[in-house]
Amino acid sequence: DAGVIQSPRHEVTEMGQEVTLRCKPISGHNSLFWYRQTMMRGLELLIYFNNNVPIDDSGMPEDRFSAKMPNASFSTLKIQPSEPRDSAVYFCASSLANYGYTFGSGTRLTVV
Amino acid sequence: GDSVTQMEGPVTLSEEAFLTINCTYTATGYPSLFWYVQYPGEGLQLLLKATKADDKGSNKGFEATYRKETTSFHLEKGSVQVSDSAVYFCALTHQAGTALIFGKGTTLSVSS
Repeated sequence: DAGVIQSPRHEVTEMGQEVTLRCKPISGHNSLFWYRQTMMRGLELLIYFNNNVPIDDSGMPEDRFSAKMPNASFSTLKIQPSEPRDSAVYFCASSLANYGYTFGSGTRLTVV
Repeated sequence: GDSVTQMEGPVTLSEEAFLTINCTYTATGYPSLFWYVQYPGEGLQLLLKATKADDKGSNKGFEATYRKETTSFHLEKGSVQVSDSAVYFCALTHQAGTALIFGKGTTLSVSS
């Protein structure tokens, strides 16, 4: 199993540009989570899906952030427009009902 | 709401020293408890878990016991190695398939 696959690994973009982060969960997992990690705030849950349906998006910082899961094998997190304070490592994780949470390697986003 | 509190780091130890990283939680009911480890530049990996009171999770020489009476899940290892240097996260969830709530992480540095 290839694990949770995130792309890109690194993204550098200019303020105001649109950024799209991608995640492929483990096949058969029915829950998908997006987290953001910063030094100041640690790991924050942004949004999670069960069976492709968004369940809790209360952690999405503002309307500039949006997430979709069009099918069981793909999810995107979009930031439009991006701002320097969005710089962080974004992690995707997937799980099955047996508490088997698996994290991807993350996308390091730098907004200049 | 639910929360996890970890001891502040960094923790600096010599090889073969005893390790304790404290973790306490605030939650209703009986959450499941986890320790995750993050090596530099990587995602989070599950280290161990416990799903009910008095359970002991163990893996790679690390142990933690779910103490309901003290709402704690302290991580211990009898003899640390340089390769254990990483960031350790305590986390909880109430139900499989719901989001993990993380502590802020504790950095462990082991020197030879």
